[in-house]
Amino acid sequence: GIQVEQSPPDLILQEGANSTLRCNFSDSVNNLQWFHQNPWGQLINLFYIPSGTKQNGRLSATTVATERYSLLYISSSQTTDSGVYFCAVPSAGTASKLTFGTGTRLQVTL
Amino acid sequence: ETGVTQSPTHLIKTRGQQVTLRCSSQSGHNTVSWYQQALGQGPQFIFQYYREEENGRGNFPPRFSGLQFPNYSSELNVNALELDDSALYLCASSGVYEQYFGPGTRLTVT
Repeated sequence: GIQVEQSPPDLILQEGANSTLRCNFSDSVNNLQWFHQNPWGQLINLFYIPSGTKQNGRLSATTVATERYSLLYISSSQTTDSGVYFCAVPSAGTASKLTFGTGTRLQVTL
Repeated sequence: ETGVTQSPTHLIKTRGQQVTLRCSSQSGHNTVSWYQQALGQGPQFIFQYYREEENGRGNFPPRFSGLQFPNYSSELNVNALELDDSALYLCASSGVYEQYFGPGTRLTVT
């Protein structure tokens, strides 16, 4: 099945700093989602981005499908950005079965 | 439009017991997927239901079973609980392109 790897695995930032999270996937995909999992376990949709670039406030994401990677940018980080960030892609043959990456755990400090 | 809801939020069971977890999908969504998330890992796909039929299954034993009802709500049943079943169980309902997750049920097996 498809493999999804994320880097870095852990990241500590001071409030106000910028960061880039990376998601690599082993096969071509027609769908990619980024999620933020808050400390209570809730997975919050950030982006649906099969290709191209999208922005939502301080967050933006870029997917280069031909090179099998996606990037999530967080600018001017805030303590509320802390948590785990996952990318997820559908597995071949099943429209909605998502394979999640290994996650990036982000801690934003004052 | 209501989001995905799950019940209960927390549950403690003893090894060998059976458990039923419940999920109400987002209004208008007829596809529900279940995921298991062990501590420190990304969610793993259990199975998916589409219009009351199982539509794809991950690498989980038959003691994990499910149902979907005519209103598209769903249940996850786990028989003969094992200690390794302790995890966060997430339900997701599928829109046209994205999956939307509920808050999860945290199951502890002692």
